[in-house]
Amino acid sequence: KAGVTQTPRYLIKTRGQQVTLSCSPISGHRSVSWYQQTPGQGLQFLFEYFSETQRNKGNFPGRFSGRQFSNSRSEMNVSTLELGDSALYLCASSPRQGENSPLHFGNGTRLTVT
Amino acid sequence: AQSVTQPDIHITVSEGASLELRCNYSYGATPYLFWYVQSPGQGLQLLLKYFSGDTLVQGIKGFEAEFKRSQSSFNLRKPSVHWSDAAEYFCAVRSRGNTPLVFGKGTRLSVIA
Repeated sequence: KAGVTQTPRYLIKTRGQQVTLSCSPISGHRSVSWYQQTPGQGLQFLFEYFSETQRNKGNFPGRFSGRQFSNSRSEMNVSTLELGDSALYLCASSPRQGENSPLHFGNGTRLTVT
Repeated sequence: AQSVTQPDIHITVSEGASLELRCNYSYGATPYLFWYVQSPGQGLQLLLKYFSGDTLVQGIKGFEAEFKRSQSSFNLRKPSVHWSDAAEYFCAVRSRGNTPLVFGKGTRLSVIA
């Protein structure tokens, strides 16, 4: 079974631009979560989606948004990019929503903002 | 506030030596507990998890972890470290209810010959 696929692997953007990251979960998984990973802040939770509905949202500004499609694939969008948005963005999927459903992570998208 | 603490930022061990990585959490009730490992340039891989029952849980790659309620700890152990174990290790906690998975800051493990 294929793992969580994130595209693209690397992105370089300029301040003020916007970016869209994509995540395809493991087949049959219906829950998708997004995390931002930086050396200073570690792993910080962005959003969680289940059945196309946002179930949880982290403490990030409104420039960060996401959505989930009917096939469980998910995208996240960051508008008006800032230098501090440079990070590894990780997507994770799980079969169902719930605290006892382990997350399976993709290899991430490395975003660099210049 | 709920939190996860990994007191050791960086640990160096010799190949073949034993390993213990510490994790403490601050939650109102016993949460769900996880350990993940991340190799450079990769995502996170689940090593093991604790939900309830036997407080000593076995995971992949020869790792185990022990849940100690009295100490609010979930330390990861391995009896004999291999060079391929060099990576970053994250303890993660999820409380009961509709809450997200919260990660510690991670412990970077270096293995020397």
